[in-house]
Amino acid sequence: DTEVTQTPKHLVMGMTNKKSLKCEQHMGHRAMYWYKQKAKKPPELMFVYSYEKLSINESVPSRFSPECPNSSLLNLHLHALQPEDSALYLCASSQEMDTRNTEAFFGQGTRLTVV
Amino acid sequence: GESVGLHLPTLSVQEGDNSIINCAYSNSASDYFIWYKQESGKGPQFIIDIRSNMDKRQGQRVTVLLNKTVKHLSLQIAATQPGDSAVYFCAENFLGGGFKTIFGAGTRLFVKA
Repeated sequence: DTEVTQTPKHLVMGMTNKKSLKCEQHMGHRAMYWYKQKAKKPPELMFVYSYEKLSINESVPSRFSPECPNSSLLNLHLHALQPEDSALYLCASSQEMDTRNTEAFFGQGTRLTVV
Repeated sequence: GESVGLHLPTLSVQEGDNSIINCAYSNSASDYFIWYKQESGKGPQFIIDIRSNMDKRQGQRVTVLLNKTVKHLSLQIAATQPGDSAVYFCAENFLGGGFKTIFGAGTRLFVKA
């Protein structure tokens, strides 16, 4: 299994809602990532988890809250988002964060629209 | 031809021709580089990688060239096919509070049949 699975594929939420994005991988990877991608732009790194611990937070607003319940799962909890947070949210995983020569495997993304 | 501006840079090629996509990376400390392909509605997909101690690496129909002096990467696709139409991103891994993968701006490749 070389897949990273993200759910849901699409999400529409109001600015007062609370929702969660989910990501799962069964490749035994110990590093997992959240990226945000706006239209016609490259993915921008948000968070990195290494061995289930948060290693990097790229100054992301607190309305985005990541969680790594175990080595296969990664969640992104959303609360009080703004319309400008509408984007494609991508999850990725790689073997280990400290191994520099390793590519990341990406999921299909969750298309989020904040209304 | 190739265009650069406010929109994503675009490269249009005829089916069967070779394509060359260029990328300038930012961090001289980066020592591992990856090319990703992203099709509409999908996540980025790994194509080929190269370490900083190499200047060329070949895969199946693809070749990556690395010029560390000018911090430049290129992706060459031989005999381009309609299925190659996508956005191509170069990415660099470097140490910044932990190893990060940072993406370049991207180039949209159109293949004309």
